[in-house]
Amino acid sequence: AQSVAQPEDQVNVAEGNPLTVKCTYSVSGNPYLFWYVQYPNRGLQFLLKYITGDNLVKGSYGFEAEFNKSQTSFHLKKPSALVSDSALYFCAVRPYGNNRLAFGKGNQVVVIP
Amino acid sequence: NAGVTQTPKFRILKIGQSMTLQCTQDMNHNYMYWYRQDPGMGLKLIYYSVGAGITDKGEVPNGYNVSRSTTEDFPLRLELAAPSQTSVYFCASSASPGGQETQYFGPGTRLLVL
Repeated sequence: AQSVAQPEDQVNVAEGNPLTVKCTYSVSGNPYLFWYVQYPNRGLQFLLKYITGDNLVKGSYGFEAEFNKSQTSFHLKKPSALVSDSALYFCAVRPYGNNRLAFGKGNQVVVIP
Repeated sequence: NAGVTQTPKFRILKIGQSMTLQCTQDMNHNYMYWYRQDPGMGLKLIYYSVGAGITDKGEVPNGYNVSRSTTEDFPLRLELAAPSQTSVYFCASSASPGGQETQYFGPGTRLLVL
């Protein structure tokens, strides 16, 4: 069975500091990996995805994520956090050939001015 | 291009009542999904559809029903509302098929069952 773990409930970071949101996955075969962001009272918005190729993926709003197969991780990063980055972040995995996503529980990111 | 739209935005139901959550997408996507979001639990897949006339169960289908008579619409039906169905419901769609396609989400329906 596929699963995603986001070990931290909340990530607090000062504005201007680097932001990292952790994600590890468990899936058979080659995974497709996604990050979504949810702002208050809104639906989820796509940030970035890893399908194949370069392990470093760049996405929207200055975010990037690094796929690490040996550690089965797909951590989300941003070099310099903004207050507007405060939101709920979800990691998701989809096994190859399967169109169903499995979501992690989400991480609340709080960027402190 | 409105994307994925959901109605209503918020609803209060009494135990035992029924209702239909509406979802419409205008991107001509074949794949559509219903999720529920509970605090600290992430999103759980309720039902999904790979095309008009084809639906299948997700992780948590009990207490729900769906239909897919057109490509655009994917309503979710609650027949006998229970407090455990208090949640935020999201509809999503994606282009077919291949597994690489991003899912696009609607704004959500907040349901309270009392």
